[in-house]
Amino acid sequence: DAKTTQPNSMESNEEEPVHLPCNHSTISGTDYIHWYRQLPSQGPEYVIHGLTSNVNNRMASLAIAEDRKSSTLILHRATLRDAAVYYCIRQGAQKLVFGQGTRLTINP
Amino acid sequence: EPEVTQTPSHQVTQMGQEVILRCVPISNHLYFYWYRQILGQKVEFLVSFYNNEISEKSEIFDDQFSVERPDGSNFTLKIRSTKLEDSAMYFCASSEQEMNGYTFGSGTRLTVV
Repeated sequence: DAKTTQPNSMESNEEEPVHLPCNHSTISGTDYIHWYRQLPSQGPEYVIHGLTSNVNNRMASLAIAEDRKSSTLILHRATLRDAAVYYCIRQGAQKLVFGQGTRLTINP
Repeated sequence: EPEVTQTPSHQVTQMGQEVILRCVPISNHLYFYWYRQILGQKVEFLVSFYNNEISEKSEIFDDQFSVERPDGSNFTLKIRSTKLEDSAMYFCASSEQEMNGYTFGSGTRLTVV
């Protein structure tokens, strides 16, 4: 049980920002929120993770709601290479439980 | 950028045969994992390994599966007697700390015939 809810698919245009939502309303206080993506025929790739505060790295930003029941992955300027399945995962132990994720399509 | 290396990239084996999938995690990482993905399905957790022992395993990881860190660099997954349903992509991953991001390898495609 992945215990997160994401839209099955989203579509965006190249060079525009993309906001990928995730609901994790039953998250516990010690669970981290991780985001991974999987490009076709590749292994999962780490994107970003956080606990309470918003996080930024070279790939993306993670905005975590104050009550921690939801989060949003932000790709600031999408490229065609960002087309992938994006997974939002709660991590509370030594494992990641993957759900179905959001399939992101980027239009040229 | 450091990588997790998996070999072979593709292995075909006959049902009932033993297979060993090999992984070289990132050198300063302490936590090691195996996941699998059957074609068209979700990525599934198999096992986590820390301090030379299994720390958590899933229901999939039954007595036919075993893991080993035979030296300071390799991490292996052995399937003792393969079944057709073991056909999948097997991904090795490692992380520096328990709650850090994982680095995944590019996978071994196992085909059982």
